[in-house]
Amino acid sequence: IAGITQAPTSQILAAGRRMTLRCTQDMRHNAMYWYRQDLGLGLRLIHYSNTAGTTGKGEVPDGYSVSRANTDDFPLTLASAVPSQTSVYFCASSAAGGDTQYFGPGTRLTVL
Amino acid sequence: GQNIDQPTEMTATEGAIVQINCTYQTSGFNGLFWYQQHAGEAPTFLSYNVLDGLEEKGRFSSFLSRSKGYSYLLLKELQMKDSASYLCAVQTGGFKTIFGAGTRLFVKA
Repeated sequence: IAGITQAPTSQILAAGRRMTLRCTQDMRHNAMYWYRQDLGLGLRLIHYSNTAGTTGKGEVPDGYSVSRANTDDFPLTLASAVPSQTSVYFCASSAAGGDTQYFGPGTRLTVL
Repeated sequence: GQNIDQPTEMTATEGAIVQINCTYQTSGFNGLFWYQQHAGEAPTFLSYNVLDGLEEKGRFSSFLSRSKGYSYLLLKELQMKDSASYLCAVQTGGFKTIFGAGTRLFVKA
């Protein structure tokens, strides 16, 4: 693989279910991010990680958790999905915090 | 609060020049990014300004005035493939980047 990948591409989920969105990069970037994009609101930061083993909260972290066990992977978990979490989710990475971000192709999630 | 304003939509003609404006009010400023996003795709990096002035890169140029909290993206010799959303984003410090809602540009023949 080259760059940053996300899985699944899209998912329909029943409310109350647990879901993990996967993100993997092969650029050896230290910083990784999760955003959600909603119509008219732009990209909003959910969680970020500046290096393996550390994570931080963004603008809209409630209902989401992340982990960063290694440099390449940064999964996002919805413990109990709600309809307001219906959105397009983008994972991104950068060499260091504040640098140009490179985005994955996105996951379109619908919670019913 | 943190706020980034850009026009919601713009329309321009193939071959013309278009300027997309962005104004921002943020608690910190470490730099300003412009990203392009085609419908259904991921944002891709276009330009980065940290100092006042104009940065030129081929058909695309970006301008920054930090004292005015203002930037613009200039697209010359418009092509149909330039139809996309253009996102203004401010790096406010640390790992926080605030994105505007984006400007959807329609290029017509």
